[in-house]
Amino acid sequence: GAGVSQSPSNKVTEKGKDVELRCDPISGHTALYWYRQSLGQGLEFLIYFQGNSAPDKSGLPSDRFSAERTGGSVSTLTIQRTQQEDSAVYLCASSRTMNTEAFFGQGTRLTVV
Amino acid sequence: RKEVEQDPGPFNVPEGATVAFNCTYSNSASQSFFWYRQDCRKEPKLLMSVYSSGNEDGRFTAQLNRASQYISLLIRDSKLSDSATYLCAVPRGGYALNFGKGTSLLVTP
Repeated sequence: GAGVSQSPSNKVTEKGKDVELRCDPISGHTALYWYRQSLGQGLEFLIYFQGNSAPDKSGLPSDRFSAERTGGSVSTLTIQRTQQEDSAVYLCASSRTMNTEAFFGQGTRLTVV
Repeated sequence: RKEVEQDPGPFNVPEGATVAFNCTYSNSASQSFFWYRQDCRKEPKLLMSVYSSGNEDGRFTAQLNRASQYISLLIRDSKLSDSATYLCAVPRGGYALNFGKGTSLLVTP
């Protein structure tokens, strides 16, 4: 498909386990974003990748969170030692370049039990 | 001032009504602005982009007021299908988008 693809769509994990969430952006888009949305809340910025520049990690809530973007394309968001407060929908978006429209994937719904 | 602020609503309007939402932003250097629509348990979808004074697409009009640092979204002739949460987005320092918490709209028969 031509849109942003995220996997898995749903993930249930036990507290303390590590999880990896994957995002495949729209081909040719140089900018990639990760956001988190808790139930009934707004979008919380996590991290931003733009081309080969150093990522903007200023939104990561703790050092348990990390993200990589390999080859300027696919990105993985890793959460180590998951906690119940990590339960949320994790949304990935990409845009052609900075300051242009961002398009979202369908999200990964993470539940930590 | 928070980076992007929106009135959370909810706005309850009858079909056919005109409704307007405002979004204020703090980064005066921002050059581009976006309105997204988010349906319950779905991802946000781009509704409109604003790069200059405003933009119009059918029943939807977005206007930018740089002096007062706000953008507005006007929906004319509301439809039941317009019921959703409307998110305003503004680049933070020219890079990643900052989103408001959204304004909830419910259009009733």
